Amino acid sequence: QSVLTQPPSASGTPGQRVTISCSGSYSNIGRNTVTWYQQFPGTAPKLLIYTNSQRPSGVPDRFSGSKSGASASLAISGLQSEDEAEYYCASWDDNLNGHVIFGGGTRLTVL
Amino acid sequence: QVQLQESGPGLVKPSETLSLICTVSPGSITSGPYYWGWIRQPPGKGLEWIGSVYYSGPVYYNPSLKSRVTISLDMSKNYFSLRLNSVTAADAAVYYCARGQKNNSMFDYWGQGTLVPVSS
Repeated sequence: QSVLTQPPSASGTPGQRVTISCSGSYSNIGRNTVTWYQQFPGTAPKLLIYTNSQRPSGVPDRFSGSKSGASASLAISGLQSEDEAEYYCASWDDNLNGHVIFGGGTRLTVL
Repeated sequence: QVQLQESGPGLVKPSETLSLICTVSPGSITSGPYYWGWIRQPPGKGLEWIGSVYYSGPVYYNPSLKSRVTISLDMSKNYFSLRLNSVTAADAAVYYCARGQKNNSMFDYWGQGTLVPVSS
């Protein structure tokens, strides 16, 4: 069972805006930054958002991240068919000497 | 562009030790403020962080795996390694190595992953 809680699935039609939530606690998201990854079947995860809302070079600005308290969100605007993928949030947790935790993942379907 | 590549036996037997190495190029694993980590993903399931190591500092482990895991570096050969003892079927997964940062969940470069089945 993941310490970070994500909805198992999300969906939207092309052009729509969708959001994926990630809920944690004070020891992880509440005190540390959030990272988002995008993963296509059979491939390694790709860094999508870091430090809550920063995009690496090459990631379209359709993807945005935010954090409030012990929760975070990933928003995808102008949804495209190629956005259909699995999305994971992650954070550092200060308990037990510190460790990385991942959310369970959200499968995004573009209808 | 940093590249990471996992390598190791393609199959491990129950109760034995899983051993993988991750070679990094270009550049040295001792340069920069980078931690080097292992993450795994059982078939059809989510990501699980195993641990991360810094060349001159502490190693951080997933508390649930800490008793069975060792992550270390070979600076002369520029790779870092993973050893997981007493494996069971639950340890079967795609194992990824990745470059990360201290006290952070950001991994910016990943290997392609290697599938490690556990079977007798």
